[in-house]
Amino acid sequence: GAGVSQSPRYKVAKRGQDVALRCDPISGHVSLFWYQQALGQGPEFLTYFQNEAQLDKSGLPSDRFFAERPEGSVSTLKIQRTQQEDSAVYLCASSSMGGNTDTQYFGPGTRLTVL
Amino acid sequence: AQKVTQAQTEISVVEKEDVTLDCVYETRDTTYYLFWYKQPPSGELVFLIRRNSFDEQNEISGRYSWNFQKSTSSFNFTITASQVVDSAVYFCALSVYSGGSNYKLTFGKGTLLTVNP
Repeated sequence: GAGVSQSPRYKVAKRGQDVALRCDPISGHVSLFWYQQALGQGPEFLTYFQNEAQLDKSGLPSDRFFAERPEGSVSTLKIQRTQQEDSAVYLCASSSMGGNTDTQYFGPGTRLTVL
Repeated sequence: AQKVTQAQTEISVVEKEDVTLDCVYETRDTTYYLFWYKQPPSGELVFLIRRNSFDEQNEISGRYSWNFQKSTSSFNFTITASQVVDSAVYFCALSVYSGGSNYKLTFGKGTLLTVNP
C-alpha cells in the first residue's frame, strides 16, 4: 500500500517568505507527527495530531510555526516569515492509533532551504 | 526528560563484516518502547525493529539482531555479514507516554555506517 507522502520534496525560500509543507499520511492512520531534522542531527518532535485534534504542539520552536489537520487526514505545516535557522528537513510520520505499541512510519521529508 | 545517546558518529566496515551500533537511553518511565530506524541517502526513515521495556528477550531477524539490557539502559543493534546496501545513517529512538495519547519519539544523533565493497 501507499506510504506517507510529503510535498514538495525540496523548497527554497527567501528569508521572510511564508511556506507550506504538506503531508499525506497512510490511509486510515489516526496519529500524525511532524519532526524537524537539522543537518547531521536526529529528528526532533514538533507537533502531534490525533485525527483533527492537535494534542501536543510543545515542540514548535516559535509562533511562526503553525500546523493543521482539518479533516483528520492531510496535514499542513506552515512557517511564516522564514528565517535561516528554519533550514532543515521536515519529516512527517503517521501511526495507526495513538498508543505506544504503534510504530511511526515516516515520509521522505521536505528539505527547506532559507536563503 | 528522555535522552538517547549514540556515541558512535561514524563506522566504516568492509562488506561481510559484522557491525554493532550502540545506543544508550535515559528515561524515568517504566513503560517505554525502543526503536531502530535506518535513513538511507534518499532521506526516508525506514523502521527496522521495536522492543518494549517489559521484554528483554533478544531476537534475530534475518541479518539483524538486537541486544536489549535494562540494567545498562542499552539497546544495541547488530548487522551480520554487512552489505553495501546497508550503508545509511542509523537512528535509535525512545518512545514514552507524553500525555493525550502522544508517544513522540526522542532520537539519538545517529550513526553513519559505510560498508565498503
